[in-house]
Amino acid sequence: DAGVIQSPRHEVTEMGQEVTLRCKPISGHNSLFWYRQTMMRGLELLIYFNNNVPIDDSGMPEDRFSAKMPNASFSTLKIQPSEPRDSAVYFCASSFLTGNQPQHFGDGTRLSIL
Amino acid sequence: KNEVEQSPQNLTAQEGEFITINCSYSVGISALHWLQQHPGGGIVSLFMLSSGKKKHGRLIATINIQEKHSSLHITASHPRDSAVYICAVGGGSQGNLIFGKGTKLSVKP
Repeated sequence: DAGVIQSPRHEVTEMGQEVTLRCKPISGHNSLFWYRQTMMRGLELLIYFNNNVPIDDSGMPEDRFSAKMPNASFSTLKIQPSEPRDSAVYFCASSFLTGNQPQHFGDGTRLSIL
Repeated sequence: KNEVEQSPQNLTAQEGEFITINCSYSVGISALHWLQQHPGGGIVSLFMLSSGKKKHGRLIATINIQEKHSSLHITASHPRDSAVYICAVGGGSQGNLIFGKGTKLSVKP
């Protein structure tokens, strides 16, 4: 099993630019989660999908952030326009929907906005 | 007050020592997760439990639902156990997690 695959691993860009983070969940998993990790706030849930449908996006900081899951094998998290305070590590995780299941995390995308 | 509190925040131990990391939570949960994050940044799920105790190798996780408290124990600690250990709680069948701030463990040879 390839695990959860995120790309890119690292992204450095200037403020104001659009940033797109990508995630491929484990095949067969039907829940997908986007998290952000910073030194100050630790890990925080941004949004999660069940069966490709966004369930809770209350963690999305503001309208500059958007996430999509067009199919069961792909999701994107987009920031437009990006700001320096968006610098963080963004993790994607997936799991089975039924009951409480362990989540499998990707290696994360380290984002730096200059 | 954070909904998930971990202690200690930092822990330094000598190789071979028995280690305990604590997690207290204030919300109703259906399951509690222990995660491990290595210096390289990857996050691995160690345990998910809703009652009692689970053991995997040198790691043991316990939970007391009435007291809203969980502990992660490491027996015969080793430098390769050095990592950040994160407690997270899940509120229901939806699967979203609330995280503690983590405990940074350093095991010295």
